[in-house]
Amino acid sequence: DTAVSQTPKYLVTQMGNDKSIKCEQNLGHDTMYWYKQDSKKFLKIMFSYNNKELIINETVPNRFSPKSPDKAHLNLHINSLELGDSAVYFCASSQGDGSYTFGSGTRLTVV
Amino acid sequence: SQQGEEDPQALSIQEGENATMNCSYKTSINNLQWYRQNSGRGLVHLILIRSNEREKHSGRLRVTLDTSKKSSSLLITASRAADTASYFCATDIDDGLTFGKGTHLIIQP
Repeated sequence: DTAVSQTPKYLVTQMGNDKSIKCEQNLGHDTMYWYKQDSKKFLKIMFSYNNKELIINETVPNRFSPKSPDKAHLNLHINSLELGDSAVYFCASSQGDGSYTFGSGTRLTVV
Repeated sequence: SQQGEEDPQALSIQEGENATMNCSYKTSINNLQWYRQNSGRGLVHLILIRSNEREKHSGRLRVTLDTSKKSSSLLITASRAADTASYFCATDIDDGLTFGKGTHLIIQP
């Protein structure tokens, strides 16, 4: 079974739309993350979240918001999509022992 | 800003040769990790080395860590065509991983 799963795998949408990417982990990990990988393959952390605290990378626009209905899910909601939001978004989880498990990524294309 | 900086940015070698990639970082870390990413695919965890460790092996992989120089190296021995990928170092501080820019490794058959 996939440990960290993201849906959809591909997402093509128009500028100005609102979209969500879902992430689920079945590892029982306490902390989940969202990372963005741009066209130059730079990977940057966007959010880290556990049941106590949300930590936001200050460079992330407030159009991006993580939503966690429960410990196993951390969805990424994006409002008013812009061309520059096109990237691959990776979800990850960790138990805090240094080991991270990544999802396979969601390739978002804004047209 | 990026915590880790890998070099070289790109490396092309013949199959069977060894490949060495380096990573430098800026702040104190809990551990440092190396990941592989095949083109268009997700991140695969390769190896983790803790701040109190100096060297670690896993199969054909050898990782070193020098905390005084804030640097790490990844050595892949006896390279294979399937090793062609991008390799990223990532430092683990407290709030998630911070990745370097990556080294794109091409193994020529």
